[in-house]
Amino acid sequence: DIQMTQSPASLSASVGETVTITCRASENIYSYLAWYQQKQGKSPQLLVYNAKTLAEGVPSRFSGSGSGTQFSLKINSLQPEDFGSYYCQHHYGTPLTFGAGTKLELK
Amino acid sequence: EVKLEESGGGLVQPGGSMKLSCAASGFTFSDAWMDWVRQSPEKGLEWVAEIRSKANNHATYYAESVKGRFTISRDDSKSSVYLQMNSLRAEDTGIYYCTRHDYAFDYWGQGTTLTVSS
Repeated sequence: DIQMTQSPASLSASVGETVTITCRASENIYSYLAWYQQKQGKSPQLLVYNAKTLAEGVPSRFSGSGSGTQFSLKINSLQPEDFGSYYCQHHYGTPLTFGAGTKLELK
Repeated sequence: EVKLEESGGGLVQPGGSMKLSCAASGFTFSDAWMDWVRQSPEKGLEWVAEIRSKANNHATYYAESVKGRFTISRDDSKSSVYLQMNSLRAEDTGIYYCTRHDYAFDYWGQGTTLTVSS
């Protein structure tokens, strides 16, 4: 199975800051990488797929990059609604696996 | 508007069975690949099972941890997907989400909670 390793596990930031979350795959997944946001008590929501394609309705302050085994999610100018947990997931065939998550907290 | 609504969770004893249902609306269900994903504090988000569309022969795939115990199925006439879970274990406890799989999991239900405990 492909292992997904996310870092950092937690991150404190202020409104207006720019943050980057990274995700590493244990083998080449080309660009088959998705990012999700999850707020407390809610279902995950798709932000990015195919490494850099924003899902419908996702603000442009979110951007994804990378290919192969190294990926990142960048959030420019953090807004209050951006705080929560973020997960990467490969979609390069089954079994699909997720990273352990990054908890983004308000500093 | 796409909607996915799970039902059927609850408390079950180890070794018991439970069937989850997911009613879908707002898209052409018969063309969609549908998955179940679960979440627990111990394991985080974990993909459980997938069933593909009729065009893909309704092929099914399972996580190794549930293979032989869980069965995913669908009824396109009812726009519904199901997860039959047998021989349940404590480690199956969690929130079970129904998802639509289009490239990634682009829509999720609100989740239904399964607790396996004596």
